[in-house]
Amino acid sequence: SQKIEQNSEALNIQEGKTATLTCNYTNYSPAYLQWYRQDPGRGPVFLLLIRENEKEKRKERLKVTFDTTLKQSLFHITASQPADSATYLCALPDSSYKLIFGSGTRLLVRP
Amino acid sequence: GAGVSQSPSNKVTEKGKDVELRCDPISGHTALYWYRQSLGQGLEFLIYFQGNSAPDKSGLPSDRFSAERTGGSVSTLTIQRTQQEDSAVYLCASRERQGPNTEAFFGQGTRLTVV
Repeated sequence: SQKIEQNSEALNIQEGKTATLTCNYTNYSPAYLQWYRQDPGRGPVFLLLIRENEKEKRKERLKVTFDTTLKQSLFHITASQPADSATYLCALPDSSYKLIFGSGTRLLVRP
Repeated sequence: GAGVSQSPSNKVTEKGKDVELRCDPISGHTALYWYRQSLGQGLEFLIYFQGNSAPDKSGLPSDRFSAERTGGSVSTLTIQRTQQEDSAVYLCASRERQGPNTEAFFGQGTRLTVV
């Protein structure tokens, strides 16, 4: 079955730097992949979607890449701000098309 | 409604009791998910409803867990004979439909504590 791997260690960076988070999957390449943000005590909120035929997607300071050869998606936040501190989750459809989530990576942006 | 609504927000129950958690999805959304999130962990898939199809129950951890979705709208997750390991945040999400163009909208979750 499909497994999603995200770095469980928190990423700690200085304000203004670019944060890069990784999402790896183990099995077949999904038709699309989504990224969500989760703040403490809240449900996840959708950020970006990238399809398998897209190499890169951008939205304001966010950029997502999708490499089906490496079975990996990278999520970048440029010019990071303390308000970007949160947990970021990747999600993709499994073989039954239901959405499954990775365990998330916590990002801490120091002022 | 404006968003996905879950109730109660918090529930403390004694071990062995049954609990019901409710989810009101966004009106018109055909897909509804239940996930469980333990402290500091990711989202564990529990069950998924899509339209009139039979639900995908493959994530339910034991037969003490069940869920139903009435009239294609409101869903109730029931946990019978609760155990301490059931303590977690239970999140509900809905999607307009299956497919790549649809995002999942989450409720705020129900924090369940079994004492």
